[in-house]
Amino acid sequence: GAVVSQHPSRVICKSGTSVKIECRSLDFQATTMFWYRQFPKQSLMLMATSNEGSKATYEQGVEKDKFLINHASLTLSTLTVTSAHPEDSSFYICSATPGTGVPNEKLFFGSGTQLSVL
Amino acid sequence: AQSVAQPEDQVNVAEGNPLTVKCTYSVSGNPYLFWYVQYPNRGLQFLLKYITGDNLVKGSYGFEAEFNKSQTSFHLKKPSALVSDSALYICAVRGWSGNTPLVFGKGTRLSVIA
Repeated sequence: GAVVSQHPSRVICKSGTSVKIECRSLDFQATTMFWYRQFPKQSLMLMATSNEGSKATYEQGVEKDKFLINHASLTLSTLTVTSAHPEDSSFYICSATPGTGVPNEKLFFGSGTQLSVL
Repeated sequence: AQSVAQPEDQVNVAEGNPLTVKCTYSVSGNPYLFWYVQYPNRGLQFLLKYITGDNLVKGSYGFEAEFNKSQTSFHLKKPSALVSDSALYICAVRGWSGNTPLVFGKGTRLSVIA
């Protein structure tokens, strides 16, 4: 099946630093990528939707200046957590869809990034 | 607004016994329904989906799920559980319109005991 590579899998950083997470579709072109966040014992919550070559669409309550999303190519999207704070510690996961056929019927997930901000 | 409920945080079942993981949903119009599984230290993996057609959907690893429109449910089932089925199971739903993303349940942790 299709593969989405996400890295790093785990990152520990100091408060105030920025962290970049990469999400790559390895064997298909991802017209749309989604970024999710999951706090302990809660469900995956959508943060933003990014379409290749255009600005990301952020969900209500997600700060676009803090969570910078770049989807410059059909195989790569990045999420940068700027000036990270302890409350940003969470599990971040991306998903990608080729966008063909039934919308989002084919949705493939990265393995996630556990961010810990000290 | 779309929503998914998985009422059980944890399900324990003996190996060889049937298992059920419950999921109910709310969505405008017809739903797309999905089950995903997450094994330790691995990403979400697709198990099965309901788009249209037969209410009983068969998926990977011997799992199946039954779509019940009147009860707005999509429970995951397997006739005979294996210890290797122990994982986190997540139900998801989206509506038919547009390129809208999935809404996920909180997940149910399944433990199969030998």
